[in-house]
Amino acid sequence: EDQVTQSPEALRLQEGESSSLNCSYTVSGLRGLFWYRQDPGKGPEFLFTLYSAGEEKEKERLKATLTKKESFLHITAPKPEDSATYLCAVPNQAGTALIFGKGTTLSVSS
Amino acid sequence: SQTIHQWPATLVQPVGSPLSLECTVEGTSNPNLYWYRQAAGRGLQLLFYSVGIGQISSEVPQNLSASRPQDRQFILSSKKLLLSDSGFYLCAWSDTYGYTFGSGTRLTVV
Repeated sequence: EDQVTQSPEALRLQEGESSSLNCSYTVSGLRGLFWYRQDPGKGPEFLFTLYSAGEEKEKERLKATLTKKESFLHITAPKPEDSATYLCAVPNQAGTALIFGKGTTLSVSS
Repeated sequence: SQTIHQWPATLVQPVGSPLSLECTVEGTSNPNLYWYRQAAGRGLQLLFYSVGIGQISSEVPQNLSASRPQDRQFILSSKKLLLSDSGFYLCAWSDTYGYTFGSGTRLTVV
């Protein structure tokens, strides 16, 4: 069964304290790994798509990396506005839809 | 540019009442459309997807149904709501670049 597992479930950081979020997946024949940001009461907002091991993408304080079995979302010197739930997803085996992890809820305090 | 509209934003319905949530997409033709549900403490669960008018695939057995009467319109319905239908419902569309989500509907069944 295709699965996506994210850790930790929750992460509390001080402003400026860098850390990483993890996403591991079991689907074979990966056709992309997606990262989304979700604010409370809103729909997920697209951040990155990674397609091959070794690929990296950056956006402001966020950098996503991909290996053969997992992806990391690195947050460098976070600010309070980075507080959100970060979701990871991969296409299912049939390629018909995305399978999501449960997300990591990040809280950054000043 | 492509946009996705979803309404209503919040809804409180009594058990046993009907449900109709609507989603429309602008700026694209023949999109793949999706309904996801996000319950507290759980990840996004795929409910239905559609690759064209009248073509609906259901991912999980449930009290809900979906219809696609027009190319860019996707409707989620129920004849009689259950308490377990409460959750955050998200519509999404996809193209070769990824998936874009609507703003969601918070449904509370009382």
